[in-house]
Amino acid sequence: EAGVTQFPSHSVIEKGQTVTLRCDPISGHDNLYWYRRVMGKEIKFLLHFVKESKQDESGMPNNRFLAERTGGTYSTLKVQPAELEDSGVYFCASSQGVGSYEQYFGPGTRLTVT
Amino acid sequence: SQKIEQNSEALNIQEGKTATLTCNYTNYSPAYLQWYRQDPGRGPVFLLLIRENEKEKRKERLKVTFDTTLKQSLFHITASQPADSATYLCALDPLPYGQNFVFGPGTRLSVLP
Repeated sequence: EAGVTQFPSHSVIEKGQTVTLRCDPISGHDNLYWYRRVMGKEIKFLLHFVKESKQDESGMPNNRFLAERTGGTYSTLKVQPAELEDSGVYFCASSQGVGSYEQYFGPGTRLTVT
Repeated sequence: SQKIEQNSEALNIQEGKTATLTCNYTNYSPAYLQWYRQDPGRGPVFLLLIRENEKEKRKERLKVTFDTTLKQSLFHITASQPADSATYLCALDPLPYGQNFVFGPGTRLSVLP
């Protein structure tokens, strides 16, 4: 069974540019999460999808971040326009269904905004 | 304010000994608490989940305890091996039974041969 995959593994962009991160969850997992770890800080929750619906987006920092989950499969996280403080590692995780708390994480995308 | 603390940023122990990592939380009432392992350049890997009504959970050489009165979880690795060297994270649900997780800062464990 393939794990959670994320693309790209690294991205370096200039302030003001747009970046789109992609996450492919484990097949059949209804829950998809985005997290972020900025330098020296703990992993922070961004949002949670159940299938194609946003269940909880309380962790999204501001309206420069837009997450989508097309057809309840893969998800994208777009940052537009990127700011320096958006640099960090963005993790995606998935879990199976309702009441499923064991999350499977992807390897992360390291975003550097210069 | 709400806070999760893990005992120390780094912990060094000798191979074969038991490693004990601590997770303390303030102003949360979690229904469950999880422990993850993270290696450099990789995402966290789920290890164990313990629920509020469970005192202890074991899995092979791992043991987790959960004391809701002390607001603390202890994570033990017995007969530690150099391959156990990693960062260990605790995570809890800030809204009981929610699926939004809050992570602690992690403890970097080094098991010395």
